[in-house]
Amino acid sequence: AQKVTQAQTEISVVEKEDVTLDCVYETRDTTYYLFWYKQPPSGELVFLIRRNSFDEQNEISGRYSWNFQKSTSSFNFTITASQVVDSAVYFCALSEAFGNEKLTFGTGTRLTIIP
Amino acid sequence: ETGVTQTPRHLVMGMTNKKSLKCEQHLGHNAMYWYKQSAKKPLELMFVYNFKEQTENNSVPSRFSPECPNSSHLFLHLHTLQPEDSALYLCASSPNGASGGNEQFFGPGTRLTVL
Repeated sequence: AQKVTQAQTEISVVEKEDVTLDCVYETRDTTYYLFWYKQPPSGELVFLIRRNSFDEQNEISGRYSWNFQKSTSSFNFTITASQVVDSAVYFCALSEAFGNEKLTFGTGTRLTIIP
Repeated sequence: ETGVTQTPRHLVMGMTNKKSLKCEQHLGHNAMYWYKQSAKKPLELMFVYNFKEQTENNSVPSRFSPECPNSSHLFLHLHTLQPEDSALYLCASSPNGASGGNEQFFGPGTRLTVL
C-alpha cells in the first residue's frame, strides 16, 4: 500500500525567510511519481511539480526548489525568500507509474507567511 | 483557472434532501475523479471514471451516487446524507486514467454542509 506522510501540520514564518516542507512516502513500486500541489484559500489544488522515481535530480523553479532522495524516501519542498502569497496548504502526493493515475495524498502542511 | 469548474461552490442541505454536485472539464481529458476533503484528514479518493466507465469506487456509502454521462461532465448525486458528510468535495481530471504519471487538474470544490 502507498502512504504519504507530511509530519508538519502547520508552519509559520516571517516574510522573506526560507521554509522547507517535508514529505516522506512509502511504496512497494519501483517506478512511481511524486507530486506537490498548493491549495490557496480559494480551494482548488494547483499543480506545482511532478517527479519520476528514476529522476533524482533536484529541481529549482524560481523561489521554489525540490529535493528528492530515494534513499530516505523523501521529497522535500523549499520556498526561498517567502512571500505572503505563498500562504496556503501544500500537499505532497504519490501515484503509480502504470495502470492508473490515482493519487495518494499526505495530510497537508498549512503554511502561513507573516508580513 | 485550471479548466475544471464545479457548481455550486457552496451547498447547505438537510439530511432528507436530494441534491447534485456538478463538475465540468474543458481540457479534453478522459479521466475524472471525485475527492472528499475533511478537516485534518488526507484527501480521500471517492470515485474514478475513465472514458465514462467507473473504474474505482473507494468503498463509498450508497448515499453518494456518481454519474458520468460523457468525458467532460461528472455529477455526484447526494441523498439522505449525514452531518459527517460535511466537507469540501473536489473534482479533478487527468488526460488518461490508465497510463500513470500525469498530473490531475482540480476544480475549486463544493463546500457542503449537512444540517
